[in-house]
Amino acid sequence: KAGVTQTPRYLIKTRGQQVTLSCSPISGHRSVSWYQQTPGQGLQFLFEYFSETQRNKGNFPGRFSGRQFSNSRSEMNVSTLELGDSALYLCASSWNRDITNYGYTFGSGTRLTVV
Amino acid sequence: ELKVEQNPLFLSMQEGKNYTIYCNYSTTSDRLYWYRQDPGKSLESLFVLLSNGAVKQEGRLMASLDTKARLSTLHITAAVHDLSATYFCAAGTSGTYKYIFGTGTRLKVLA
Repeated sequence: KAGVTQTPRYLIKTRGQQVTLSCSPISGHRSVSWYQQTPGQGLQFLFEYFSETQRNKGNFPGRFSGRQFSNSRSEMNVSTLELGDSALYLCASSWNRDITNYGYTFGSGTRLTVV
Repeated sequence: ELKVEQNPLFLSMQEGKNYTIYCNYSTTSDRLYWYRQDPGKSLESLFVLLSNGAVKQEGRLMASLDTKARLSTLHITAAVHDLSATYFCAAGTSGTYKYIFGTGTRLKVLA
């Protein structure tokens, strides 16, 4: 079965622009979480969506936002890009909010470079 | 607030040797996950540990959880080159659905 699909894989943007990243979870998975991965900070939790509602949010500024659609697909948006936003953005999906038995299934990520 | 620390950050070891990666977490957590990430790739789930004393093994990797000590270990037995990757632990608490990852341990197995 198809895994978690993230598009695009690579993105180069200029400071001040905005960007939208997309995540299609595994069919039947209803929970989607987003993480930012950088060499300096490691994996940091951005937010979690379930049933089209944001259930959890990490410690990121309001420039980072997201949403989830009725088909569980999710998008995250970053406005007014800064150089420090350059990172690998990972989406993870699970059947429900409780990942007790299997953990997350991660997508391959979108590598965002801000110049 | 839950914090997760891993050590060492980098580990270079000879094939055939044994070593252990440590994962400490700061507050009560009732679930611990281990993931593997190959360069340029995504994270792959390795182990899920849910109770004190839990031990799971897959090939040359064995993970354990001590909730009293707030410590999980990932033990590598007779390392082979294919195990070279970055290993992450992640802790969470039921009901919060927010999982905090450790800094990762970059393992390099030398032939």
